[in-house]
Amino acid sequence: AQKVTQAQTEISVVEKEDVTLDCVYETRDTTYYLFWYKQPPSGELVFLIRRNSFDEQNEISGRYSWNFQKSTSSFNFTITASQVVDSAVYFCALEGGGNKLTFGTGTQLKVEL
Amino acid sequence: DAMVIQNPRYQVTQFGKPVTLSCSQTLNHNVMYWYQQKSSQAPKLLFHYYDKDFNNEADTPDNFQSRRPNTSFCFLDIRSPGLGDAAMYLCATSRDLAGPTDTQYFGPGTRLTVL
Repeated sequence: AQKVTQAQTEISVVEKEDVTLDCVYETRDTTYYLFWYKQPPSGELVFLIRRNSFDEQNEISGRYSWNFQKSTSSFNFTITASQVVDSAVYFCALEGGGNKLTFGTGTQLKVEL
Repeated sequence: DAMVIQNPRYQVTQFGKPVTLSCSQTLNHNVMYWYQQKSSQAPKLLFHYYDKDFNNEADTPDNFQSRRPNTSFCFLDIRSPGLGDAAMYLCATSRDLAGPTDTQYFGPGTRLTVL
């Protein structure tokens, strides 16, 4: 069975603060993929990143960065210098051998002025 | 721009009155998915089509049906909506079911209200 845990239900930060969203996963598959999606208030799930289980390199894209650590089964997401437009629900997801996405319960990020 | 389009964005129906939600895509992807997302919850997969092959999730109620008349369009039919079916319905597409091209891209969703 696969499981994704996002222990942080809601995080509030002040604009320009850095914030890290945690994601811990469980799977017995040796090949799997990890994803992050952003869901703003409009409702659309916006794809942010995909990472396969054999690639543990961290990735940076502008103000976003991702830290994948197989040893701790974690795939954390950091937003540097947060902005109000970053306010959204962020979902971490896992795709294993069954080729289905298992989503975490999401973290609501609120960035205030 | 290539995209996933859902119509309508908001749908109000009456208890027991059939309703159809629409999804179209210009990505020419092989796979189309329907998810149900209730408030403050993760999306839940209802079913998917790989080309014309339909795959229903084991726990999807019979009340939910789907049609895919061609590559571009997929419909979600709710035969007799109950109050518990009020939710956001998300359509997604992916090029393939597995491998590096199976990333799912989502539409903006249709928020269904049942009165």
